[in-house]
Amino acid sequence: KNQVEQSPQSLIILEGKNCTLQCNYTVSPFSNLRWYKQDTGRGPVSLTIMTFSENTKSNGRYTATLDADTKQSSLHITASQLSDSASYICVVTPVDDYKLSFGAGTTVTVRA
Amino acid sequence: DAGVIQSPRHEVTEMGQEVTLRCKPISGHDYLFWYRQTMMRGLELLIYFNNNVPIDDSGMPEDRFSAKMPNASFSTLKIQPSEPRDSAVYFCASRIQGGTGELFFGEGSRLTVL
Repeated sequence: KNQVEQSPQSLIILEGKNCTLQCNYTVSPFSNLRWYKQDTGRGPVSLTIMTFSENTKSNGRYTATLDADTKQSSLHITASQLSDSASYICVVTPVDDYKLSFGAGTTVTVRA
Repeated sequence: DAGVIQSPRHEVTEMGQEVTLRCKPISGHDYLFWYRQTMMRGLELLIYFNNNVPIDDSGMPEDRFSAKMPNASFSTLKIQPSEPRDSAVYFCASRIQGGTGELFFGEGSRLTVL
């Protein structure tokens, strides 16, 4: 069974600080890997997407990295803001399959 | 486009009652997905449609769950009879064929079964 594991489960950081979220997956072969942001009470929204041949992708203060050899991805948040408080979900798309593999998410809380 | 639209946003019902959740996908999207999200299990795929045809319903937990997509702009997820363990947030999502495969989610329907 395809699996996506995320760590940590949750973290608390002070406003302005940086943090890094981890995603390990066993889905193979895969088409792409996305990070979604889910605000409380809202639906997930795509932040970044990387294909198997990409190593890094940025979206403002969010930078995602991918190591397809070790099957690891990370999401780095720079200079965190209160609005970054959310759950971040790693999602892997298998090749030729519409059944995505979702991680359980990391809940980030940014405090003033 | 207004995005994926779900209703109701919140539903509180008693065990044994019928629940119907509704979804309007983004116009032009070929695929529609129903997911359930709980703290314990995260996001789980229940069923998905391609061009209004159900393709994979292996995630539907029991016969109490059913889903329909009578046309390209409307889908329903029905639970009959509902049970307390069905309490969760149900998301509808849609996407186009091919492309980057990005799923566009609705805001979800939070179901509480007492």
